[in-house]
Amino acid sequence: QQQVKQSPQSLIVQKGGISIINCAYENTAFDYFPWYQQFPGKGPALLIAIRPDVSEKKEGRFTISFNKSAKQFSLHIMDSQPGDSATYFCAASLNYGGSQGNLIFGKGTKLSVKP
Amino acid sequence: DSGVTQTPKHLITATGQRVTLRCSPRSGDLSVYWYQQSLDQGLQFLIQYYNGEERAKGNILERFSAQQFPDLHSELNLSSLELGDSALYFCASTARYRGGFYGYTFGSGTRLTVV
Repeated sequence: QQQVKQSPQSLIVQKGGISIINCAYENTAFDYFPWYQQFPGKGPALLIAIRPDVSEKKEGRFTISFNKSAKQFSLHIMDSQPGDSATYFCAASLNYGGSQGNLIFGKGTKLSVKP
Repeated sequence: DSGVTQTPKHLITATGQRVTLRCSPRSGDLSVYWYQQSLDQGLQFLIQYYNGEERAKGNILERFSAQQFPDLHSELNLSSLELGDSALYFCASTARYRGGFYGYTFGSGTRLTVV
């Protein structure tokens, strides 16, 4: 029940195309859903996040779509660029007390954007 | 520079040995999280500390231990090392994200190689 399932494992997209990565969770108590971007040799970096009271959040070319009833959320990267080539992780957590609970990560999607 | 400092960056050691990984969180962040990243398991939560106290435990082996000191830096101790402990170890601290949610800020990690 603590798992976050992410797909696909890898994704190849042409420059200018739309990259879509999907995640599903089981624990309905999760209330924070971030996406992280990781480049080789670096730590993951927070990209965008959403709470379950919102169905969509957009920041620049990055959009999270959230479907609470289906327990699914996805990351859309519009106008994908070669610089977006990285590994993307979805995650979920519980906020409790004054300190955020630990994040449960999906297994990651390696995105390659071809020029 | 994310503001989370991890040392050392690389560590090569022999089986059976003990090592200590160090993490300094972002200024003002009270929570420190440790994660292990391997190719097949993705990012696995190990342990969380909040203002010096252990807050949550994940898939942390009994051979591993951690602590957070009064100055809020944290150390992860790995003992009786096995080949399978070779991985990237990340530390993260909580950061305020625009919009009011709390996101992790990851360090650059320590790459541990057990030979």
